[in-house]
Amino acid sequence: DVKVTQSSRYLVKRTGEKVFLECVQDMDHENMFWYRQDPGLGLRLIYFSYDVKMKEKGDIPEGYSVSREKKERFSLILESASTNQTSMYLCASSSMDRAFEKLFFGSGTQLSVL
Amino acid sequence: RKEVEQDPGPFNVPEGATVAFNCTYSNSASQSFFWYRQDCRKEPKLLMSVYSSGNEDGRFTAQLNRASQYISLLIRDSKLSDSATYLCVVNKGGYSTLTFGKGTMLLVSP
Repeated sequence: DVKVTQSSRYLVKRTGEKVFLECVQDMDHENMFWYRQDPGLGLRLIYFSYDVKMKEKGDIPEGYSVSREKKERFSLILESASTNQTSMYLCASSSMDRAFEKLFFGSGTQLSVL
Repeated sequence: RKEVEQDPGPFNVPEGATVAFNCTYSNSASQSFFWYRQDCRKEPKLLMSVYSSGNEDGRFTAQLNRASQYISLLIRDSKLSDSATYLCVVNKGGYSTLTFGKGTMLLVSP
């Protein structure tokens, strides 16, 4: 089974802090994604990556950046955390042949910014 | 009109009931359609794809109506374990990304 691992299940940070959310997948997938999920708003795409060192903006990239130095790892960075970035963050990966069909999600990181 | 729209529910049904959800999408150029399932406090997982000819997997049937731009999910003989949120997902096509609906919550009671 594909395993997508997110480094933390719960995270509490202060406003203005730099926050790193890490995601690792073990299936050699080319594509990786970062979503946030908020009640009443559903899943929204922040950034995605098709390959190492490549990144594309999703629907809501403002306030975020990403890094993909290795194929298996995709990091989401909040340069200066704000309270409106309190959310559930979900990482996902997919293979090239089923790029936008079957996404495998990690179990999520619930981030609280105080 | 929102890109992907679903009734949030909750749909409360007894065990053994048949229940159906609809989802509408706004982009007529959309090419691929899916249903994902998300259990409470868990990550979404692909339930099934929706093909033009329809798709059946055990108790689950998914159908696509391109003319009216909606997809449906029918669950027969509901089980307690079917309780979850069902996410409608649309791919606009090409090397594009998926758009998730906000989900429909299903609660199956004994």
